[in-house]
Amino acid sequence: NFMLTQPHSVSESPGKTVTISCTRSSGSIASNYVQWYQQRPGSSPTTVIYEDNQRPSGVPDRFSGSIDSSSNSASLTISGLKTEDEADYYCQSYDSSNQVFGGGTKLTVL
Amino acid sequence: EVQLVESGGGLVKPGGSLRLSCAASGFTFSSYSMNWVRQAPGKGLEWVSSISSSSSYIYYADSVKGRFTISRDNAKNSLYLQMNSLRAEDTAVYYCARDLSSTSCYGIDYWGQGTLVTVSS
Repeated sequence: NFMLTQPHSVSESPGKTVTISCTRSSGSIASNYVQWYQQRPGSSPTTVIYEDNQRPSGVPDRFSGSIDSSSNSASLTISGLKTEDEADYYCQSYDSSNQVFGGGTKLTVL
Repeated sequence: EVQLVESGGGLVKPGGSLRLSCAASGFTFSSYSMNWVRQAPGKGLEWVSSISSSSSYIYYADSVKGRFTISRDNAKNSLYLQMNSLRAEDTAVYYCARDLSSTSCYGIDYWGQGTLVTVSS
């Protein structure tokens, strides 16, 4: 099994742009889709990016996803930060028989 | 509107059993793979198990293999998780979640509100 490693926390000011990374330990990041989930305190997770860079309906275009094969990582970028974006963010991918979540990144908007 | 409503959580002693249910509505349940994902108190998300739309493919995390059984009833639009030989480390909120796929299991688009399972003597 592989692992997905995320920074424990990031912080940025309202209106700025932040990028959260997700590095795959083995196997190619490009081989399997990556999803990103947002979890606000006390709430269930919601999907903000699926299939590397697709946004579900209702998710603002301030959220974008990408993958970088050179660093074997995926990234979630949030532009025009709002206080409501303060949450935990998890990346997730899979292989033939397992789904794997990253450890989560706490985003603070201050 | 897609709705996933879990039930069946509660307090159980170590070594005990519990059966979780998830009632699905607002979509064609039989066309989607489904997942269980859990979150221990103050911890991150952990994938538990997945089942394809026709139950042809079933997968488990190593941490629950041999103790948990996932199943579904497409006629009742319901997903289940039978949990046996429960341990303290199984204490978590368990989420029912719809997969992006019908034939494989690779990611989630909708999540339920979760049901809390507490394993303690």
